[in-house]
Amino acid sequence: DGGITQSPKYLFRKEGQNVTLSCEQNLNHDAMYWYRQDPGQGLRLIYYSHIVNDFQKGDIAEGYSVSREKKESFPLTVTSAQKNPTAFYLCASSRRLAGGSSYNEQFFGPGTRLTVL
Amino acid sequence: QKEVEQDPGPLSVPEGAIVSLNCTYSNSAFQYFMWYRQYSRKGPELLMYTYSSGNKEDGRFTAQVDKSSKYISLFIRDSQPSDSATYLCAMRDSGAGSYQLTFGKGTKLSVIP
Repeated sequence: DGGITQSPKYLFRKEGQNVTLSCEQNLNHDAMYWYRQDPGQGLRLIYYSHIVNDFQKGDIAEGYSVSREKKESFPLTVTSAQKNPTAFYLCASSRRLAGGSSYNEQFFGPGTRLTVL
Repeated sequence: QKEVEQDPGPLSVPEGAIVSLNCTYSNSAFQYFMWYRQYSRKGPELLMYTYSSGNKEDGRFTAQVDKSSKYISLFIRDSQPSDSATYLCAMRDSGAGSYQLTFGKGTKLSVIP
């Protein structure tokens, strides 16, 4: 089955700790994205990557870091610098449209709920 | 004015009703429009994907885009309790390198048996 997997489903972090959220896709999609979802706030883009070994900041990148060493993997690290990390984190991927540089619709993983204790 | 406005609800309807969910937007460059369904504590699932103006139907779901009014709608016919979820609209422009989706905040729908 093709799809996007995220792990863990639930994650608890103590103050001052860094934690890494996993995102893997076997859809052969070029682009991958990380979003944060808070109640009443909608989805906000943290980071995105269109190609291996390259990634760009989204709207709320402060306190987060990513890597894209493989096409199928895009892990997100929530650092201790992130002031309010408790949220639902969603990973998504999309395919580059043939002949162009724009991207198709995004497909989402099941999410990771991070809670700071 | 926010780029995408979506009534948060909650919207409660009886089973079998026709549901209308709507978003308005301000950016006239938006060309691609999507509707996602999100069950509680799950990731969003793509329901409908449309380009420019017009209607698109898929089973009980119809997506409608009116670019002149900057207004999109999702209609659900014969609504079922399993349709109870939060519905997110999303859109993007068609420029080179276009990738970023702009989301509405979602409308929470409850279909009562």
